[in-house]
Amino acid sequence: DVVLTQTPPTSSATIGQSVSISCRSSQSLLDSDGNTYLYWYLQRPSQSPQLLIYLVSKLGSGVPNRFSGSGSGTDFTLKISGVEAEDLGVYYCVQGTHDTWTFGGGTKLELK
Amino acid sequence: EVQLVESGGGLVQPGASLKLSCVASGFTFSDYWMSWVRQTPGKTMEWIGDIKYDGSYTNYAPSLKNRFTISRDNAKSTLYLQMSNVRSEDTATYYCTRDPNWDYWGQGVMVTVSS
Repeated sequence: DVVLTQTPPTSSATIGQSVSISCRSSQSLLDSDGNTYLYWYLQRPSQSPQLLIYLVSKLGSGVPNRFSGSGSGTDFTLKISGVEAEDLGVYYCVQGTHDTWTFGGGTKLELK
Repeated sequence: EVQLVESGGGLVQPGASLKLSCVASGFTFSDYWMSWVRQTPGKTMEWIGDIKYDGSYTNYAPSLKNRFTISRDNAKSTLYLQMSNVRSEDTATYYCTRDPNWDYWGQGVMVTVSS
C-alpha cells in the first residue's frame, strides 16, 4: 500500500496565523489518466470528516478560500491562510490514485 | 439536502456477523459510486472498499476482502456492509461516503467487537 506521511503531527496556531501541513507519499500519485488523486479532509471534534480539497488543489463546495492545496508527484501541502476557530480539528490527506485508498496519519490543529 | 444515515452497529461477539446499512437521500443514489471507511478508537482511518453505481463492481482493501462484502439496493437508496467473522480489531466507527471525492459522509455508526 501507498504510505502517506503527514507532518507535523500536531500544529499550534493563533487565530489569524497561516499554517501549512505536509503530506508525503511513498509513491507518485500521478495517475496514468493525468490526474493526481490527492485529497484533504478536516475532522472537527466529534464530527465526521468533511472534504476540503480534491485533486490536489480544487476547493470543495462551500469550503472557504483561505484553504489551498498544492503539490505534485509525492509532495503535497495544505495551507490555511488565516486560521479561524472553526478550523480546529484533525486534517487528513488521502490518496486514491493506487488501488487501495490510503490515509495519512493526521495533523491535529490546536489553538496556541 | 444530501444525507447519509448509517445504522446497524452495536456490540458483537468475536466471530459473529453484522450488517451495516446506509440510507441516502437528497441525491440520485443510483448515479454514484459509494464507499465505506472506518475509524478506529485511536483515530486511524482505513478505506474498506467501494461499489459501482449499479452494484456490478466492488473493490476492497486487500486485508478485508475475505470478510467484508459491500452491496447496494438502488430502489431503497441503501448501501450495505456485511461483516463476517469479526475480530476485536474491527472495533471502529464506520462511515459511508459518496464517491468520487467523498464529499458527503454519514454521521458514522459504532461497532464494538468484544466478548
